Amino acid sequence: GENVEQHPSTLSVQEGDSAVIKCTYSDSASNYFPWYKQELGKGPQLIIDIRSNVGEKKDQRIAVTLNKTAKHFSLHITETQPEDSAVYFCAASMFDNNDMRFGAGTRLTVKP
Amino acid sequence: NAGVTQTPKFQVLKTGQSMTLQCAQDMNHEYMSWYRQDPGMGLRLIHYSVGAGITDQGEVPNGYNVSRSTTEDFPLRLLSAAPSQTSVYFCASSYAFRGETEAFFGQGTRLTVV
Repeated sequence: GENVEQHPSTLSVQEGDSAVIKCTYSDSASNYFPWYKQELGKGPQLIIDIRSNVGEKKDQRIAVTLNKTAKHFSLHITETQPEDSAVYFCAASMFDNNDMRFGAGTRLTVKP
Repeated sequence: NAGVTQTPKFQVLKTGQSMTLQCAQDMNHEYMSWYRQDPGMGLRLIHYSVGAGITDQGEVPNGYNVSRSTTEDFPLRLLSAAPSQTSVYFCASSYAFRGETEAFFGQGTRLTVV
């Protein structure tokens, strides 16, 4: 089955700096790669996703890049703000398949 | 819309007890899933369903049963709780339609087995 690895496990940045979180996946059949943000005491919430037919996608301060050949994808957050502090999860699956596998998570702390 | 509602929010069980974690969604989504979240291990898929009457095993199904008699409800049953099942459990519902998809998660159930 699919195996997703995520790095780093913790990340601390100064407000205004950029943050990058990286994930690798093992199953070349996976074609859907979402990123979730989880705030304390809440369930994960989708923040951005990318399909395998796209190399990059951007939404305001967040962007995701995908390298299908190397089987890795990354989340980029620019101009970080204290409210970006949370745990971020990457995941991989086939688009119409409910069997989604998650990375172990990255705890991002943005220092004011 | 309430989204995905999980009950209870907290539960303490003794080893060997049984219980059902409830999950309901009001978005008419076909797909529903149960995950457990443990420190340093992310979310691991327990069971999932692609529609009423259809369920399948995920990554860590042992010790858990599910059923999907309606589109709205997807309960998770622990038949004989074990300390290894101490975790935070999340239910999710999702859709895939015309190239769009998104999973919505409940608030979680924190289960402690003593």
